[in-house]
Amino acid sequence: DAGITQSPRHKVTETGTPVTLRCHQTENHRYMYWYRQDPGHGLRLIHYSYGVKDTDKGEVSDGYSVSRSKTEDFLLTLESATSSQTSVYFCAIKGEPNLGDGYTFGSGTRLTVV
Amino acid sequence: GQNIDQPTEMTATEGAIVQINCTYQTSGFNGLFWYQQHAGEAPTFLSYNVLDGLEEKGRFSSFLSRSKGYSYLLLKELQMKDSASYLCAVRGFQKLVFGTGTRLLVSP
Repeated sequence: DAGITQSPRHKVTETGTPVTLRCHQTENHRYMYWYRQDPGHGLRLIHYSYGVKDTDKGEVSDGYSVSRSKTEDFLLTLESATSSQTSVYFCAIKGEPNLGDGYTFGSGTRLTVV
Repeated sequence: GQNIDQPTEMTATEGAIVQINCTYQTSGFNGLFWYQQHAGEAPTFLSYNVLDGLEEKGRFSSFLSRSKGYSYLLLKELQMKDSASYLCAVRGFQKLVFGTGTRLLVSP
């Protein structure tokens, strides 16, 4: 286990409501990432963080915000959920140098916006 | 920007060898990764290439040609459990960009 957990694992929410997804790591990694995965699009980067309070946008950041107040937690917030944000969300941490600093992923959060 | 192409789906028979190709165009290159993803699960790391050539790890091998913007993942002695999606990803500056993945179906 790479020490990365996501919560919740599943969530159904209504259009227009705010939603926050949590990613927690126990390995003191500096870099953390949020991706969404949709059929036909693969994994697309939403936002990433390179340290406490240091974040940047990815390719599909519209409608999402993030916060990182502690090294171990990276939160993804959908300010006002829309049906187009129905997706599987994965958090990732930058892995070990012997893995080429590739990513280790959390188990994912399946979000349905109705 | 970055563009990564890989076939959508492939089929193969148990015990056979299959090669999954990936071509990429990128403005920066700091390594190419292959991940395996079973349905309903998270992607898991398979291999990493940063220099040209072949990296072998058990039944799985990965090849890279930086001048051609080309990589392949070779799976030998296919097993039913190898049925999964295989994701090619290129690392630019600080982040990985993924292709859409190749779904591999292994039949008996």
